[in-house]
Amino acid sequence: AQSVSQHNHHVILSEAASLELGCNYSYGGTVNLFWYVQYPGQHLQLLLKYFSGDPLVKGIKGFEAEFIKSKFSFNLRKPSVQWSDTAEYFCAVNALSGYSTLTFGKGTMLLVSP
Amino acid sequence: EPEVTQTPSHQVTQMGQEVILRCVPISNHLYFYWYRQILGQKVEFLVSFYNNEISEKSEIFDDQFSVERPDGSNFTLKIRSTKLEDSAMYFCASSAGLEADTQYFGPGTRLTVL
Repeated sequence: AQSVSQHNHHVILSEAASLELGCNYSYGGTVNLFWYVQYPGQHLQLLLKYFSGDPLVKGIKGFEAEFIKSKFSFNLRKPSVQWSDTAEYFCAVNALSGYSTLTFGKGTMLLVSP
Repeated sequence: EPEVTQTPSHQVTQMGQEVILRCVPISNHLYFYWYRQILGQKVEFLVSFYNNEISEKSEIFDDQFSVERPDGSNFTLKIRSTKLEDSAMYFCASSAGLEADTQYFGPGTRLTVL
C-alpha cells in the first residue's frame, strides 16, 4: 500500500519569504501526485497535479512542484508567499493500479505573517 | 465552475443514531468517493463508487457504513449506529474518470457524535 509523508506539520513564514514543503511517498509503481490546499473554513482545492511529462508542474497562485522519481518526492514551492497563502497543504498520491484511492499526507499548516 | 456540494454542513447526533450525509457530485462525473478527516489527523479514504456499486473500500468502511446513489444526482453516506469515534469531517469527492482524473472535493460535513 502507498503512504505519504509530509515533513513539516507547521511552517511559519513572513510575507515574501520563499516556501518549500516536502512530500515523500512510498510506492513501487507509477503514481499520480497532487497537492491540495485547504484555506481556513473552506474545502479542499486542487493546487496542482502531476500525471506524466515535465516533472516540474505549475499550479494556481504561483505554486509549483517538482517530481523527483529517484527520491520519491514531490515538493511544493513558491518563491514569495503572501498572507493569503495561510492554509493547510496536503500532498496526495494515487497509485495507477486500477484503483482510484487518494492517499493523503498528514498536512502542513502554513502561517504567513504580514 | 461546477462544484461538489454537501449537506448538511454540520450534523450533531447522539451516539447510536443513524445519520445520512448527502452529496451532489459534479454532474458529468462518474466516480464518487467519501473521505473523512478526524480532527488533527490526515484525510482518510473510506469508499469509492462507480456504476452503482462500491469499487473499493477501506478497512474503516465497516458494516455500519453504506453508500447509495438514490437518484441521478445525489450520493449519500449512511452511518447506521454512530459511535463517538465517528466524529469527523466527511468529504465527498467526484471525478470524471478513474486513474488519470482529478478528484474534486466538496466542502465537507462536520459530524459530531455526542
